[in-house]
Amino acid sequence: DAGVIQSPRHEVTEMGQEVTLRCKPISGHNSLFWYRQTMMRGLELLIYFNNNVPIDDSGMPEDRFSAKMPNASFSTLKIQPSEPRDSAVYFCASSYLLGDTQYFGPGTRLTVL
Amino acid sequence: AQSVTQPDIHITVSEGASLELRCNYSYGATPYLFWYVQSPGQGLQLLLKYFSGDTLVQGIKGFEAEFKRSQSSFNLRKPSVHWSDAAEYFCAVGILDSNYQLIWGAGTKLIIKP
Repeated sequence: DAGVIQSPRHEVTEMGQEVTLRCKPISGHNSLFWYRQTMMRGLELLIYFNNNVPIDDSGMPEDRFSAKMPNASFSTLKIQPSEPRDSAVYFCASSYLLGDTQYFGPGTRLTVL
Repeated sequence: AQSVTQPDIHITVSEGASLELRCNYSYGATPYLFWYVQSPGQGLQLLLKYFSGDTLVQGIKGFEAEFKRSQSSFNLRKPSVHWSDAAEYFCAVGILDSNYQLIWGAGTKLIIKP
C-alpha cells in the first residue's frame, strides 16, 4: 500500500495568498484527519471526516481555514488568505474506522512569508 | 475535561540503557491508548496500541507499554535503547462515545547519549 499521500511536501507563499493542501488517504479507510504541528502549540487536530462527512471542525482556527472531502480518496485543506502565523507542518492521517490506528502522511511544510 | 499528560518534555538516556516514558490520562472509563513515534522531518508512526485484553502490549522496534487502570497510566518501555530510537514520542488517548476524540500528549523528546 502506498500509505497516505500528501502534496505538496513543501509550500512557500506570501501573506494573503491562497494555499491548498491535498491528501489521499489509504484506500478503504473511512476516516480522515487534518492536523497542524508547530513548536509552540504541538500537534493540533483541525478537523476530521467520517465517510466523507465532516464530523468535528472545532479545531479549525478561523474562517480562513476550510476543508473538503469530495470523495473517499481525496481531501483538501485550504487557507485563504494565508498569514505568517499559519506557518507549520500540516499532517493528514487516515484510519479504517474511528478509534482505530491512524496512519499519517509525511506532512506538508508550509511557510508563509 | 479529558487530558493526556506526558510529564517529561525531554529525556536523555545512554545507548544500551533502559527507557521508560510516562503517560497519564484523565478519563472516567478505559479509553483506547496509543503510542506514536516521530523521527525528525517525518510523520508519526504507530508503535503500539491498547484497546482491551492483556494490559501489557508489545509493539514494534522492541517497545512495550503497560496499561494500569488504577494509575490511569500507559507508560512506554524499552529494555535497551539504540541511537536510532532518538525521536519524539507521543501518547494519545481515544475516546469514542457519541463522537470521537483523540487527545494527544505534548510529546517527549528522547535524546540518546553515545
